[in-house]
Parts: sequence; structure tokens; C-alpha cells
Amino acid sequence: DVKVTQSSRYLVKRTGEKVFLECVQDMDHENMFWYRQDPGLGLRLIYFSYDVKMKEKGDIPEGYSVSREKKERFSLILESASTNQTSMYLCASSLGTSGLLAKNIQYFGAGTRLSVL
Amino acid sequence: DAKTTQPPSMDCAEGRAANLPCNHSTISGNEYVYWYRQIHSQGPQYIIHGLKNNETNEMASLIITEDRKSSTLILPHATLRDTAVYYCIVRGNTGNQFYFGTGTSLTVIP
Repeated sequence: DVKVTQSSRYLVKRTGEKVFLECVQDMDHENMFWYRQDPGLGLRLIYFSYDVKMKEKGDIPEGYSVSREKKERFSLILESASTNQTSMYLCASSLGTSGLLAKNIQYFGAGTRLSVL
Repeated sequence: DAKTTQPPSMDCAEGRAANLPCNHSTISGNEYVYWYRQIHSQGPQYIIHGLKNNETNEMASLIITEDRKSSTLILPHATLRDTAVYYCIVRGNTGNQFYFGTGTSLTVIP
């Protein structure tokens, strides 16, 4: 089974702090994603990465950055946390985005619920 | 990616089949139908996907109409653990993200 592990289930930070959310997948997947989920807004893509050291902006990248130094690990960084970044953060991975359909299935971690005070 | 429409909520008696509908009238020929579910406070879980043929796996069955404008996810014997929000997503074989709408909140009643 695919396993996507997020380092924390719950996190409380103060405004202005630099926050790191870590995600690790164990299936040698090429692609990794960071979403945030807010009530009434569904999941929104923040950033994704299709290879080591490669990153692409999603729909809402402002206030975030990412790092992918190793294939299995994708980090989301809040440079200066703000209260409007209080949310559920979800990491996902997929084998690939082209070719066989099965490569497109995204597998999600359990989520990190971040509160910024 | 095509837009989907799902009822906001449904109830189902434990042990009975749960039939969750999804409309995707603007689906194009190369777009697939995916179903995910999200149990409270957890990440979305992949259930099943299909293009035009009906599909079945250990979790569920997916019935897609001949014109592909709608589909139904069937949980054959719903249990209390199937209480979750179910998302129907339509997307092509390229692209980078899944667009999750608001889904259907299924409550399985004892």
C-alpha cells in the first residue's frame, strides 16, 4: 500500500513564525502535492513537484514556498505565518501524470491541522 | 476539467447498498471519473475510477451511463465506517491536480 506520511497531525504556531510542514512518501512516486482544505472551499492546490528540485505553483502559492531535495520528501514552508493560513494541509503523491491512467491516482496523507494564533 | 454536481447529503441504513449519484454533463471524451472519500479529520482516500465501462473493486462499484453524463458509486453493504464525504471528480489524463468540490456527506445509520 502507498503510504504518505505527514510529520504532524496538529500544529499551533504564532503569527510571524516560520513553519515547516513535512511530507514523506514511500512508493518512489514522481509527483508530490500540497493542498489546503477550508470549509466551503474544498481542496486548493498550493504547490506541486514533478521531480527532485522541481516545483510549480498551484492556485494559491502566495505566502508559501516548497522544497524537494529528495524524491521521497516534499516540504511546505510558511515563511511568516499569518492567521489566514490557519487550515488543514494535505500532502499527496502520484506515480506520474502522463501515460497510464493509474499513474494519475493521488494518494493523500492524513493531514496537518495548523492553527496560527 | 469538467464540473460535477452531487447531492450535499444522503443517509443509508447499515447493511444496505449506498448509491451515490454524480452528474458530469460536460465531460469530454478523454476525461475519467474518479471517486474519493474523506472520513472526518483524515486525508481523502481513493476509491475507484473509470472511463466508460462499469468498474468494480474491493471497495465499491462504479456505474457510468452510456452517454457518460452521470455516474453512480455503489457501496454494496454500507457499514458505519463508510460514513464520510464522497467526492466525484472528473479529469483528463494530464494535468496536475484533482479539483474536489463539496461532495456528498453520507451518513450510515445503525
